[in-house]
Amino acid sequence: DAGVTQSPTHLIKTRGQQVTLRCSPKSGHDTVSWYQQALGQGPQFIFQYYEEEERQRGNFPDRFSGHQFPNYSSELNVNALLLGDSALYLCASSSTTKTYNEQFFGPGTRLTVL
Amino acid sequence: GQNIDQPTEMTATEGAIVQINCTYQTSGFNGLFWYQQHAGEAPTFLSYNVLDGLEEKGRFSSFLSRSKGYSYLLLKELQMKDSASYLCAVNLKSYIPTFGRGTSLIVHP
Repeated sequence: DAGVTQSPTHLIKTRGQQVTLRCSPKSGHDTVSWYQQALGQGPQFIFQYYEEEERQRGNFPDRFSGHQFPNYSSELNVNALLLGDSALYLCASSSTTKTYNEQFFGPGTRLTVL
Repeated sequence: GQNIDQPTEMTATEGAIVQINCTYQTSGFNGLFWYQQHAGEAPTFLSYNVLDGLEEKGRFSSFLSRSKGYSYLLLKELQMKDSASYLCAVNLKSYIPTFGRGTSLIVHP
């Protein structure tokens, strides 16, 4: 059973560029959440997708957008990159059919903005 | 706002017991997660407490007191591989976990 997968593993961009990160959820999961984790910090919630719609959103600007596809996979897009966007981006999947929303995390994408 | 506090760093000796505390003040509460995160890796689930009391799972135990806004993770018979960051996360009423900054645990021989 494949767990949560993310691509790419590492990415280097320059300020002002745009980036797309991808995530495939764990088999049987229908909900995908994205988190930003700066060095030495806990993960910060960006948004959550369910049934191809953004269900909840954290305190992130509109430069951060996403999408969920019919197969439950998801993309995170960040426009007009800033140096402060450098972080580990984690995707987590969960299932609405479970009694609680245990999040299964992917290995993350390390984004460096120069 | 949400406030979740954990010590930044702790050190312990192999074979010993360590307790990592977490206090929280949040608007809404549905449960509390503990995750383990090794450097450069994804967080992995350790425990989830909804009701008050202690839940034991092998070498790891987690305690919750909802009235005090307090939880701890207890690690027994420490091993070198337990060196990692331990994240406390409160499951809000929206069922979106809000994470603390994490406690970096260093286990030395």
